Amino acid sequence: GAGVSQTPSNKVTEKGKYVELRCDPISGHTALYWYRQSLGQGPEFLIYFQGTGAADDSGLPNDRFFAVRPEGSVSTLKIQRTERGDSAVYLCASSPGGSTSYEQYFGPGTRLTVT
Amino acid sequence: GEDVEQSLFLSVREGDSSVINCTYTDSSSTYLYWYKQEPGAGLQLLTYIFSNMDMKQDQRLTVLLNKKDKHLSLRIADTQTGDSAIYFCAETILTGGGNKLTFGTGTQLKVEL
Repeated sequence: GAGVSQTPSNKVTEKGKYVELRCDPISGHTALYWYRQSLGQGPEFLIYFQGTGAADDSGLPNDRFFAVRPEGSVSTLKIQRTERGDSAVYLCASSPGGSTSYEQYFGPGTRLTVT
Repeated sequence: GEDVEQSLFLSVREGDSSVINCTYTDSSSTYLYWYKQEPGAGLQLLTYIFSNMDMKQDQRLTVLLNKKDKHLSLRIADTQTGDSAIYFCAETILTGGGNKLTFGTGTQLKVEL
């Protein structure tokens, strides 16, 4: 497909477990963003990658959250020792970079439920 | 700091115009956006406006920006039932660190027959 894809679409896990959420950006997009959307709220920024490097991780809530983008394409958001408060929809967005870096295109999200 | 506010709910009749309002606090905002989110779906970029503009029109959508009052609005002409969704206003400041979006809480638009 041509859009941003995220897997899994839904993830249910027990408190204390480790989870990985995957994002496949639009081909050729150099910038990748992760956001978290809690129920009834707008998305909140977590981390931004330009290429392989995390250029801005100021939105990560604590050190249980980590993200990688080793080859500058697919990204994985990793959450250790999950807590019930981590339950939310995790959204990924990609951006072409360059002169159109202001356009971000979002994936459908991964709904994480921590029981 | 950055803060974006929207009213929570708007109800209109099919065929009428809808106006969704947003206020923001950061005068350094470079771009302002409107995204649409349908139930269970991701965010769809509807339109955006650069901060040195005061109006942008795109088919049924008109964006108005009052930079002095830090007020952004989205007008949807001839609103249809398919326009029922949550609409998010967002702002960003372009820096070397990227294009981090700050979203409002969203306005739920309900279109009634």
